Amino acid sequence: GAGVSQTPSNKVTEKGKYVELRCDPISGHTALYWYRQSLGQGPEFLIYFQGTGAADDSGLPNDRFFAVRPEGSVSTLKIQRTERGDSAVYLCASSLTVPDTQYFGPGTRLTVL
Amino acid sequence: RKEVEQDPGPFNVPEGATVAFNCTYSNSASQSFFWYRQDCRKEPKLLMSVYSSGNEDGRFTAQLNRASQYISLLIRDSKLSDSATYLCVVNMGGGSNYKLTFGKGTLLTVNP
Repeated sequence: GAGVSQTPSNKVTEKGKYVELRCDPISGHTALYWYRQSLGQGPEFLIYFQGTGAADDSGLPNDRFFAVRPEGSVSTLKIQRTERGDSAVYLCASSLTVPDTQYFGPGTRLTVL
Repeated sequence: RKEVEQDPGPFNVPEGATVAFNCTYSNSASQSFFWYRQDCRKEPKLLMSVYSSGNEDGRFTAQLNRASQYISLLIRDSKLSDSATYLCVVNMGGGSNYKLTFGKGTLLTVNP
């Protein structure tokens, strides 16, 4: 079956711009997660959704970052006023339940110039 | 102390070699443990879960020592296709049982 998909695969933007990153989880998975992976590091937790609600957003670095999942399926990670330090691979994962195996999407590579 | 620490690597080994990766975690209340594999510019994929009794999957053996807060992964008879970054992953469990905490990863290159 289809895995987690993310779009775009690559995004290049200029400092100060707004970006949206999309995640389409595996069908039927109620839990959705966003992680961020900087070069040479492991993924770091950003936010977790159970259904439509953000159950834990403690990993979001600051208030420029926001994520939604309005219908309990697709999620969008939104970054305002991007900074060069936001450059990283943004990974989305989903799982059927919690706790359960998390399946990762291919990621969006964000480059802020 | 970082929550999950791994051998810094990189490891370069010939085909057929046995290689071991080590990992320590700081939170003694951690509940579940995993090894993920990540190929270059790809997403992490679950390699295997790690149980207190130790577990084996073909050429791969994982061990957990809760008293020492130590996790290991042993790869026997390494193949070229084993070349990847190996990530040690911990789930704190309890009220945070959804959150995975990753180590930095250890890069393995298997040479012909």
